[in-house]
Amino acid sequence: DQQVKQNSPSLSVQEGRISILNCDYTNSMFDYFLWYKKYPAEGPTFLISISSIKDKNEDGRFTVFLNKSAKHLSLHIVPSQPGDSAVYFCAASDPSNYQLIWGAGTKLIIKP
Amino acid sequence: DTGVSQDPRHKITKRGQNVTFRCDPISEHNRLYWYRQTLGQGPEFLTYFQNEAQLEKSRLLSDRFSAERPKGSFSTLEIQRTEQGDSAMYLCASSFGVDYGYTFGSGTRLTVV
Repeated sequence: DQQVKQNSPSLSVQEGRISILNCDYTNSMFDYFLWYKKYPAEGPTFLISISSIKDKNEDGRFTVFLNKSAKHLSLHIVPSQPGDSAVYFCAASDPSNYQLIWGAGTKLIIKP
Repeated sequence: DTGVSQDPRHKITKRGQNVTFRCDPISEHNRLYWYRQTLGQGPEFLTYFQNEAQLEKSRLLSDRFSAERPKGSFSTLEIQRTEQGDSAMYLCASSFGVDYGYTFGSGTRLTVV
């Protein structure tokens, strides 16, 4: 039973355009949602988080939107740059057991 | 501070052997986590320490797995009698709390042959 789903295994975006990565979850008890970026042969790097009591959080080129009624969040990257090419993971924090529950990741490719 | 360090980066072992991995977290972080990642999947939670106390263990952590954090600083993850299904990337992370995100190490890639 996948509690956090990233339904797009990959996404290709033109440099300078907006990249939108999506994530769906099932457990309404999750209290924080996080996005991580991962390059090959490295551990995931924290990008941005959002509390379940908010609907938007912005940090530079990165904005995360949370729609609790739809149990959906998205990461917007504007403008997309070549260095953004990586695998992006969505993760949700379960406050009952201190676990992060992860999606399977979306590989973002930024085309020149 | 150079971030979270994991040692070794790669380990190849024969089935049935024991292996031990080490993680050195960011010194100010009191929380330490172990995750396992296989190809095409997100990381899966294994266990979590707050200071030296192991507060949570996943059902994935069979009795062949044991983790310690003896003085609330570095941690070790030991796998006894390794099986081919144990082949994965083992990731360690540390944090203050969830909202600041976790800082991950580069992982230890285990291959059981």
